[in-house]
Amino acid sequence: AQTIHQWPVAEIKAVGSPLSLGCTIKGKSSPNLYWYWQATGGTLQQLFYSITVGQVESVVQLNLSASRPKDDQFILSTEKLLLSHSGFYLCAWSPGVSNERLFFGHGTKLSVL
Amino acid sequence: SQWGEENLQALSIQEGEDVTMNCSYKTYTTVVQWYRQKSGKGPAQLILIRSNEREKRSGRLRATLDTSSQSSSLSITGTLATDTAVYFCATDSSGSWQLIFGSGTQLTVMP
Repeated sequence: AQTIHQWPVAEIKAVGSPLSLGCTIKGKSSPNLYWYWQATGGTLQQLFYSITVGQVESVVQLNLSASRPKDDQFILSTEKLLLSHSGFYLCAWSPGVSNERLFFGHGTKLSVL
Repeated sequence: SQWGEENLQALSIQEGEDVTMNCSYKTYTTVVQWYRQKSGKGPAQLILIRSNEREKRSGRLRATLDTSSQSSSLSITGTLATDTAVYFCATDSSGSWQLIFGSGTQLTVMP
């Protein structure tokens, strides 16, 4: 069975500090990977997606970057956090050649103070 | 309706009642997905309906899709308190890797 693990579960960070969030998918080779951001009480906004190792496409610009250093790993980062980065970050994967079903992780709650 | 609204919609019902949530989408799509997100968790897909299906059922769930009006609905019959969650529809532009979520409906089912 496939599993998706996000880390950390929660972070409290200062404005201007760096950030790194991670996601690992086990039990599935060559998954499509996604990062989403969700404001409290809001909808999900897709940030990045990756179809293959080393290739990441940006959907929206939020002063964040993403990388896929391994087939099963997706990293979201920034060198300088803004207050507006607060929210819930969700990693997801989908099988095959479509996004017809996304499997989400449990998310990381980020508070920027 | 979920689409084009900035705020999360809210519905509150009693356990056992039926409920229907609506979603209007802007871009052409051949597939609408419905997800449920429980508090503090990631969303989970409930049902996917294609443009050639008009209606699809799964247990207590029923989804409809009207491509002419670019709208979809999700109905739940005999709701349970455990159905309390936020429900999102999601669509993508044909051939795109961008899955766009609607603004969501917060459903509260009171026991």
